[in-house]
Amino acid sequence: DTAVSQTPKYLVTQMGNDKSIKCEQNLGHDTMYWYKQDSKKFLKIMFSYNNKELIINETVPNRFSPKSPDKAHLNLHINSLELGDSAVYFCASSPFLQPRRGSYEQYFGPGTRLTVT
Amino acid sequence: AQSVTQPDIHITVSEGASLELRCNYSYGATPYLFWYVQSPGQGLQLLLKYFSGDTLVQGIKGFEAEFKRSQSSFNLRKPSVHWSDAAEYFCAVVTLIKAAGNKLTFGGGTRVLVKP
Repeated sequence: DTAVSQTPKYLVTQMGNDKSIKCEQNLGHDTMYWYKQDSKKFLKIMFSYNNKELIINETVPNRFSPKSPDKAHLNLHINSLELGDSAVYFCASSPFLQPRRGSYEQYFGPGTRLTVT
Repeated sequence: AQSVTQPDIHITVSEGASLELRCNYSYGATPYLFWYVQSPGQGLQLLLKYFSGDTLVQGIKGFEAEFKRSQSSFNLRKPSVHWSDAAEYFCAVVTLIKAAGNKLTFGGGTRVLVKP
């Protein structure tokens, strides 16, 4: 009964390849996110989707394309992989924003460690 | 722009000793603050959160944090550390984008090492 799951857990690939990471949540949340954690453990948001609609796109190169087929899934496709894309990618979800009810916490998946060689 | 600073990159503490991790934030409005823990090779687990009300909040695993508006701080504490508390700890603040959007801005993290 994993809340937020990601596949694969590890991904090793060569420069120039195209790869996808999948994320699924069974919490019934409306909002999903992708975060990138670099080699120094710094975490930064990349995208967020609410009910399949893109809400946040934090100046991520357009080689990265998120896709949300339904509100329980948010996949990340990366074209023409570069060495600098090596990182851990985390998916997260949160309930629909409810002002004054404090539903802002985000629940994270286990991460996907992407290594580009 | 919102920001979170964790001044300590590493902290080493003996098992059974107390632990305090510092977090300072910069945010114009009332902040919504979180502490997450990341064990080696794992995802992020929510330890505790502050939205409003009592400035001393209790979390899981025996952790607590105190919100001090005057100091723009949200420090995490644990009275007695266990070896399993060795991990990376992240402080974060929520930024509300619009009606359906929010994002977490994280501090740089503090790595906690526990000596036997």
